[in-house]
Amino acid sequence: GENVEQHPSTLSVQEGDSAVIKCTYSDSASNYFPWYKQELGKRPQLIIDIRSNVGEKKDQRIAVTLNKTAKHFSLHITETQPEDSAVYFCAARRNTGGFKTIFGAGTRLFVKA
Amino acid sequence: DVKVTQSSRYLVKRTGEKVFLECVQDMDHENMFWYRQDPGLGLRLIYFSYDVKMKEKGDIPEGYSVSREKKERFSLILESASTNQTSMYLCASSTPGDQPQHFGDGTRLSIL
Repeated sequence: GENVEQHPSTLSVQEGDSAVIKCTYSDSASNYFPWYKQELGKRPQLIIDIRSNVGEKKDQRIAVTLNKTAKHFSLHITETQPEDSAVYFCAARRNTGGFKTIFGAGTRLFVKA
Repeated sequence: DVKVTQSSRYLVKRTGEKVFLECVQDMDHENMFWYRQDPGLGLRLIYFSYDVKMKEKGDIPEGYSVSREKKERFSLILESASTNQTSMYLCASSTPGDQPQHFGDGTRLSIL
């Protein structure tokens, strides 16, 4: 079946450094790729998304890249801050055959002050 | 701002009980979803619905059922609760197409 692999499961960086989280998906029909941030005890919230007709998207310190040929997409956070500490989930969704979104297992990011 | 409200933040039930988890959204979204979240496993889809009275099985539907009698409300039912259903349950809603899902705060369910 379809799946999304996410790496690493845990990431620890020093404040001000960059953080990169990588995901690989299996369903070649996937065309929408959201990223969610979940702070401790809170709901997952969308931080950025990318569609298959775009290779890169940036929003301030956050950027996402997509390589459809390799079925690979990544989240880049620059100038990390302690408030970036959270669990991040990538996801992939196809635009046909229903609205099922497959989530990665999550990456717990620690930003050390 | 989209509001997805789950009826309980914490719930404790006994094995064999029938358990109802309720979810209400206020943005007239067509699609609604139920996930369970377990450490190291991410979010796994239990059921989803793309219209009133419509439902589709997700990846782990066994032991669960759902009801969507009104557009704004999507209920998850544990027919006979078991200890392996102890988990965090998240409800979400979205419009059709390439749109993000909006999540509720979750219900932490413990089955004793």
